[in-house]
Amino acid sequence: AQSVTQLDSQVPVFEEAPVELRCNYSSSVSVYLFWYVQYPNQGLQLLLKYLSGSTLVKSINGFEAEFNKSQTSFHLRKPSVHISDTAEYFCAVSDLRSYNTDKLIFGTGTRLQVFP
Amino acid sequence: ETGVTQSPTHLIKTRGQQVTLRCSSQSGHNTVSWYQQALGQGPQFIFQYYREEENGRGNFPPRFSGLQFPNYSSELNVNALELDDSALYLCASSSQGSHTGELFFGEGSRLTVL
Repeated sequence: AQSVTQLDSQVPVFEEAPVELRCNYSSSVSVYLFWYVQYPNQGLQLLLKYLSGSTLVKSINGFEAEFNKSQTSFHLRKPSVHISDTAEYFCAVSDLRSYNTDKLIFGTGTRLQVFP
Repeated sequence: ETGVTQSPTHLIKTRGQQVTLRCSSQSGHNTVSWYQQALGQGPQFIFQYYREEENGRGNFPPRFSGLQFPNYSSELNVNALELDDSALYLCASSSQGSHTGELFFGEGSRLTVL
């Protein structure tokens, strides 16, 4: 069975500081990996994804994540955060065997709180 | 382009009652998935509908059921409500065959069971 572990439930950080949100997964098969963001009182939005190819993937708003197969990790990083980045971040995996479904396994989330 | 819309946004029920939640998928999407997000937890996959049939189910009892209509909109029905059913219910749409895992979520329906 697959699982996703987000070790940090909350990450407080000052504006313009770097941040890393950690994600580890467990799976016996190849997976797709995702980071979704949930702003207050909103649904989830896809931030970035790894399907294949380059192990470093980037979002349009400065976040990046690197797929590390040996470490089974997909940590999310940003070199300089903004107040507007305050949100809940969820790491998720999709089993490639679930070919005909969009079943995602989510972690418990990390609350990123950016202070001025 | 119309996004995913869900109704109602909030509702309160009592134990034993039944509830129906509704979802309109994003324009051009033919697949709808439902997720339950309990407080402080990540979303958990309930089931997915494609071509008006259930196409994958998570670890939820049969009292959780659904429908998909010809226009791809969907309903989630929960019978015999329990206190633990209190959660945010998220609907997500996608295009079957994309296999990218990119889901487009609505803002959710927050259910409180008293």
